[in-house]
Amino acid sequence: GDSVTQMEGPVTLSEEAFLTINCTYTATGYPSLFWYVQYPGEGLQLLLKATKADDKGSNKGFEATYRKETTSFHLEKGSVQVSDSAVYFCALKIQGAQKLVFGQGTRLTINP
Amino acid sequence: NAGVTQTPKFRILKIGQSMTLQCTQDMNHNYMYWYRQDPGMGLKLIYYSVGAGITDKGEVPNGYNVSRSTTEDFPLRLELAAPSQTSVYFCASSYSTSGAVDTQYFGPGTRLTVL
Repeated sequence: GDSVTQMEGPVTLSEEAFLTINCTYTATGYPSLFWYVQYPGEGLQLLLKATKADDKGSNKGFEATYRKETTSFHLEKGSVQVSDSAVYFCALKIQGAQKLVFGQGTRLTINP
Repeated sequence: NAGVTQTPKFRILKIGQSMTLQCTQDMNHNYMYWYRQDPGMGLKLIYYSVGAGITDKGEVPNGYNVSRSTTEDFPLRLELAAPSQTSVYFCASSYSTSGAVDTQYFGPGTRLTVL
């Protein structure tokens, strides 16, 4: 079946550090890929997405590239801020299917 | 726009009690969803709806019921609460057209504890 695997958390970094959160997927069809972010006490918000191989999604300084050959969609940011502290979810959606398939989430804490 | 709103934010139930989680969206989205999020896990789809009057089961529908009488509202009903239903529940909506990749917008969640 379809599944998403994220790197284990929690991840703790200092402000201005480089961030990578790994995400790999298994899909029976051709997926679109997403990163969602959940700030404390809030619902999930779409951070970025990519719909086909080699597409790069970007938003708020975050980037992720759809790598079909390695079935990956790693999230990166060059210089994190305290305000980036949140839980990050990688997800996929197969074309024609209704549901998003989520990874388990990675909790990120940025210290000043 | 308020987006997707959910009530209540928190609730404690006793085993065997029933309750309805409310969800409303004001974006005129045709699709609506209910997910649950267990600790340390990703979200799992409970039920979804492609439009008023049409609902279908997701991955984990047992113990829940839904209805969709209007475009805006998609309530989730728990009839006989069990401890296994302790979770955070998220409602989401999207506007889907054939062939398009839609973005799902999420509500703030309802934290439910069954004791």
